[in-house]
Amino acid sequence: NAGVTQTPKFQVLKTGQSMTLQCAQDMNHNSMYWYRQDPGMGLRLIYYSASEGTTDKGEVPNGYNVSRLNKREFSLRLESAAPSQTSVYFCASAWGNYGYTFGSGTRLTVV
Amino acid sequence: DQQVKQNSPSLSVQEGRISILNCDYTNSMFDYFLWYKKYPAEGPTFLISISSIKDKNEDGRFTVFLNKSAKHLSLHIVPSQPGDSAVYFCAAPNSGGGADGLTFGKGTHLIIQP
Repeated sequence: NAGVTQTPKFQVLKTGQSMTLQCAQDMNHNSMYWYRQDPGMGLRLIYYSASEGTTDKGEVPNGYNVSRLNKREFSLRLESAAPSQTSVYFCASAWGNYGYTFGSGTRLTVV
Repeated sequence: DQQVKQNSPSLSVQEGRISILNCDYTNSMFDYFLWYKKYPAEGPTFLISISSIKDKNEDGRFTVFLNKSAKHLSLHIVPSQPGDSAVYFCAAPNSGGGADGLTFGKGTHLIIQP
């Protein structure tokens, strides 16, 4: 049982490049989330999808887009990467309202 | 405006002693709180939670206390073990029972000294 799987685990981008972070869960959870973690800042919510077919902005959505491809998959896209988007990105899914499971993270560096 | 605050970035405790991690919140609408533990290069994992209708919840070596009037909660680890060295996050559901995400504190790095 893999839980929440994120790819890639590491990525280096040049300023202005685009990329998509992939996330898939195999727990049949309805809700999925993207967070970023920066040093000394805790985890901040970027976007979430409370159910298949819906997406909503979180606390720090600027510069990102998301797609809930199906119940299992929730992707995060950076259209034009900036150094301020250097961070560790975590995907999570939830059963019910509080049973959050996190992936192991994607470490992104924008140079 | 930070709604969940962990004011101690780090805490060092001797093995076998009690570790106490603190968390304050400003939003009186929060009715449920969670603690997550995070090791380096891994995602956060759920540790323990508490509903606002309780003032204490215990799970083995871990106990969370909630003081609603002070808008304060604390996580007690007794006895502390080397494997407890990690970053601990306090969190609360945003609204709608948490379907629209959790708000996290900045975390406390707990270091257990041998």
